[in-house]
Amino acid sequence: QSALTQPPSASGSPGQSVTISCTGTGTDVGAYDFVSWYQQHPGKAPKLIIYEVIKRPSGVPARFSGSKSGSTASLTVSELQAEDEAYYYCSSFVAGDYWVFGGGTTLTVL
Amino acid sequence: EVQLLESGGGLVQPGGSLRLSCAASGFTFSQHWMYWVRQAPGKGLVWVARLNNEGTSTTYADFVKGRFTISRDNTKNTLYLQMNNVRAEDTAQYFCARNVAHGLDVWGQGTTVTVTS
Repeated sequence: QSALTQPPSASGSPGQSVTISCTGTGTDVGAYDFVSWYQQHPGKAPKLIIYEVIKRPSGVPARFSGSKSGSTASLTVSELQAEDEAYYYCSSFVAGDYWVFGGGTTLTVL
Repeated sequence: EVQLLESGGGLVQPGGSLRLSCAASGFTFSQHWMYWVRQAPGKGLVWVARLNNEGTSTTYADFVKGRFTISRDNTKNTLYLQMNNVRAEDTAQYFCARNVAHGLDVWGQGTTVTVTS
């Protein structure tokens, strides 16, 4: 049950696009299309922004998109806005009926 | 309004016990798998346990296996986490969350557990 690997930080200017990676293994990200992404502002509860790799819950802007290639999933935030500055976590189902989160990425809007 | 509200956190000594509760409202609680996730101060999210909608199937992270028990009472729309033999490293904010399509779409505000002597 090792944590998924995310870069500690990412940044971009307003209007730009930023992509955050989430690397797992063949027993989690690489084995299942059950990757989800969460946004967390300081002091707040996490918010689901992507589930099952590419799906967006209602109310989440289309600027947020997900993808996966092999054992690496990615979250792309397009047209960056100031309110996108937050922590982002990926999560995946793991063989054996476990779940694992990534270590988190701090997104800074310059 | 769909809502989860945790309670039961507080100070506990190493080796002690605590029971967290998560009251659900605004949705049909008995239809959803539920999860506990924790976050140590200044750290990331960590999955703790999950329970199916009927309360008959559980899975735990290795670091709580044998110490924590997740359960639910669908007649009271409440999820529980019984924490026994707690350790300093269990200090964290504990969130309950609802599962929909392999994503946790509703989260509570969290309850804080501090293990200290």
